Amino acid sequence: DAGVIQSPRHEVTEMGQEVTLRCKPISGHDYLFWYRQTMMRGLELLIYFNNNVPIDDSGMPEDRFSAKMPNASFSTLKIQPSEPRDSAVYFCASSRGREAFFGQGTRLTVV
Amino acid sequence: QKEVEQNSGPLSVPEGAIASLNCTYSDRGSQSFFWYRQYSGKSPELIMSIYSNGDKEDGRFTAQLNKASQYVSLLIRDSQPSDSATYLCAVEGSGGSNYKLTFGKGTLLTVNP
Repeated sequence: DAGVIQSPRHEVTEMGQEVTLRCKPISGHDYLFWYRQTMMRGLELLIYFNNNVPIDDSGMPEDRFSAKMPNASFSTLKIQPSEPRDSAVYFCASSRGREAFFGQGTRLTVV
Repeated sequence: QKEVEQNSGPLSVPEGAIASLNCTYSDRGSQSFFWYRQYSGKSPELIMSIYSNGDKEDGRFTAQLNKASQYVSLLIRDSQPSDSATYLCAVEGSGGSNYKLTFGKGTLLTVNP
């Protein structure tokens, strides 16, 4: 299995621009998680889905953040408009049970 | 706010020694606990899960859980330089927060040759 696949691996964008991060979970996994990692706050859960349905989005910091999972093999995290404080590494993870497996992450820099 | 606390380190041990990593958590209802290893610039990698009180061994790794004390630990025997990484403790939420993991900020482990 190829594991969780995220794209792009690196993204540099200007403040105010829209950013879309993409994730392909491991086939057969029914849970998908979006995390953000910063030095200050560590690894934080933003939102998670079960069977493509958002279950808990209480970690989404602001209305500028949105996430979708149109099917079992694809999810997006969108930031619009982006701000410098959104700079972080964003991880997608998936699981079939309680053990979650992470993608390689997207390093986002907003200048 | 559910909390997971870890000593940030760095924890430095000589090669061949036992490294002991500790974690405490605030959610008394939590039933599932995980240790992830994260190399610098890489993603977290699951190395151990534990669900019952006591010890669970996997190769050089032993996870220990004490729910009464709300304490989880990870022992790494015969530490190798390749074990140098940040170790993240993760705790699953209880009640309506099943499958929702709260991570500690991690302990940086350095194994010196």
